[in-house]
Amino acid sequence: DAKTTQPNSMESNEEEPVHLPCNHSTISGTDYIHWYRQLPSQGPEYVIHGLTSNVNNRMASLAIAEDRKSSTLILHRATLRDAAVYYCILRGGANNLFFGTGTRLTVIP
Amino acid sequence: DGGITQSPKYLFRKEGQNVTLSCEQNLNHDAMYWYRQDPGQGLRLIYYSQIVNDFQKGDIAEGYSVSREKKESFPLTVTSAQKNPTAFYLCASSRTGGVNEKLFFGSGTQLSVL
Repeated sequence: DAKTTQPNSMESNEEEPVHLPCNHSTISGTDYIHWYRQLPSQGPEYVIHGLTSNVNNRMASLAIAEDRKSSTLILHRATLRDAAVYYCILRGGANNLFFGTGTRLTVIP
Repeated sequence: DGGITQSPKYLFRKEGQNVTLSCEQNLNHDAMYWYRQDPGQGLRLIYYSQIVNDFQKGDIAEGYSVSREKKESFPLTVTSAQKNPTAFYLCASSRTGGVNEKLFFGSGTQLSVL
């Protein structure tokens, strides 16, 4: 199964943009890149996903490298409510949903 | 409100006891999943089902069993064969099992051994 690599933790000042990186060098051509975030003692929440092109929604933007071996989740203005663990996963099938340890984002007021 | 409901929120198991975790969704989703999360770790797939009356083992199915008799329900039984059941259990669903489908998660059940 294709895996992802993310930094264990990152910090951001409130109202600053945040760029969360993810490496997925073994991605296959049909794998979608999904991002979820999780608050303590809660289930993960969907953030965004994409295949090849950059994607935008009300929560965030997803920038995908041209070779698809890496991607970046962009939070345009971090708020305290954005403090969470962010998971980058590759979805290549119903059972191909590997959640690693993610990146713990701390937002500093 | 549409969503996924997991119950109970906290569950305690005695040694040698089987316990069942409930997961119900009213999103009319075909696919449902069970994950286990240990402290400070990511999620590991236990079982998944893409359609009623069918389910498949995930990465860590030993010691667990599931059923999918109704589209909206996907209960997980933690059997006595699961020697280390203490964990946070998460149920999820998606419209189909397709790779372009996003997952919707419940709020989880924390299982502890007495």
